[in-house]
Amino acid sequence: GENVEQHPSTLSVQEGDSAVIKCTYSDSASNYFPWYKQELGKRPQLIIDIRSNVGEKKDQRIAVTLNKTAKHFSLHITETQPEDSAVYFCAAENSGNTPLVFGKGTRLSVIA
Amino acid sequence: EPEVTQTPSHQVTQMGQEVILRCVPISNHLYFYWYRQILGQKVEFLVSFYNNEISEKSEIFDDQFSVERPDGSNFTLKIRSTKLEDSAMYFCASRYRGTGELFFGEGSRLTVL
Repeated sequence: GENVEQHPSTLSVQEGDSAVIKCTYSDSASNYFPWYKQELGKRPQLIIDIRSNVGEKKDQRIAVTLNKTAKHFSLHITETQPEDSAVYFCAAENSGNTPLVFGKGTRLSVIA
Repeated sequence: EPEVTQTPSHQVTQMGQEVILRCVPISNHLYFYWYRQILGQKVEFLVSFYNNEISEKSEIFDDQFSVERPDGSNFTLKIRSTKLEDSAMYFCASRYRGTGELFFGEGSRLTVL
């Protein structure tokens, strides 16, 4: 089955700096890659996703890149703010065939 | 905005007891899921449910676990005889199609003593 590896497990950045979180996946048939943000004690919430027919997607300060050949995808957050502090999970699935499999999460701390 | 709702928010039980966690998915969604998250760890897939039957389950979802959609709105997870290692946050999730954004509930924290 699918296996998703995520790095780093913790990340501290100064407010205003950029943060990058990287994930790799094992199943070359996976074609949907979402990123979820989970604040302390809350539910995971989708912040951005990308499908395998696209190499990059951007939404304001958040962007995701996908390299299908290398089977890795990354989350980029620019101009970080304290409210970006949370745990971020990447995930992958082969749409309609396998369930969403999550990485272990990255705890991002943005220091004011 | 419609939300997935879960009850109870927190349940404490003795080892060996049966527990039922309840979920009300978003009303027009067709695909339902249970995930669990042991404290500080990743979100792990348990089971998916579509068209009134299990479509996939993980190794975690053994004979002690079962799911049901007893009526048009509720989706339940039953743990027949709880073990200490079942202590976790259990998230219900739903989506309209078999792909795309998964909407999570707030979770049910299960503590097994």
